[in-house]
Amino acid sequence: EDQVTQSPEALRLQEGESSSLNCSYTVSGLRGLFWYRQDPGKGPEFLFTLYSAGEEKEKERLKATLTKKESFLHITAPKPEDSATYLCAVRASNTGKLIFGQGTTLQVKP
Amino acid sequence: NAGVTQTPKFQVLKTGQSMTLQCAQDMNHNSMYWYRQDPGMGLRLIYYSASEGTTDKGEVPNGYNVSRLNKREFSLRLESAAPSQTSVYFCASFTGTGNSYEQYFGPGTRLTVT
Repeated sequence: EDQVTQSPEALRLQEGESSSLNCSYTVSGLRGLFWYRQDPGKGPEFLFTLYSAGEEKEKERLKATLTKKESFLHITAPKPEDSATYLCAVRASNTGKLIFGQGTTLQVKP
Repeated sequence: NAGVTQTPKFQVLKTGQSMTLQCAQDMNHNSMYWYRQDPGMGLRLIYYSASEGTTDKGEVPNGYNVSRLNKREFSLRLESAAPSQTSVYFCASFTGTGNSYEQYFGPGTRLTVT
């Protein structure tokens, strides 16, 4: 069964304290691993899609990496405005549908 | 370019009432999706439409129907609302060519069924 697990559920950081969020997955034939940011009361905002092990993508203070079993979202020197819930999803080749993890809620304190 | 739009933003229904949630995208995407998001449950797929004229069930389709009116519009209908359908509903559109895939979400509809 295709599955996505994110950890930790919640993460509190001080401003400037770098850390990583984890997304572990099991899927038959990965056709993309997606990262989203979701602010309270809003829809998920697309960040990255990763396609193959070894791939990396960056956007401002965020860097996403991918292995055959998991993806990491590294946050370098975070600011309070980076506080949000970060969602991970995978697309399996045989369905085309996305399967989402539960998300990691990040709080960055000044 | 508005992206994905949803109406209404908020709705309160009584048990047994019906309603249709509207979704439109202006990005010329072929695929569209309806999700619901509940605390502790994450985003769950209700129905999706891979292309105009086709629809398929997702993970939680019971109690819902959909219509892909044209390439731009994908509506979700609750025929007889139940309290278990209290949730936040998100519409999304998807584009994928070769090895480039992106999915964009609307702002959501917050539905309460009493």
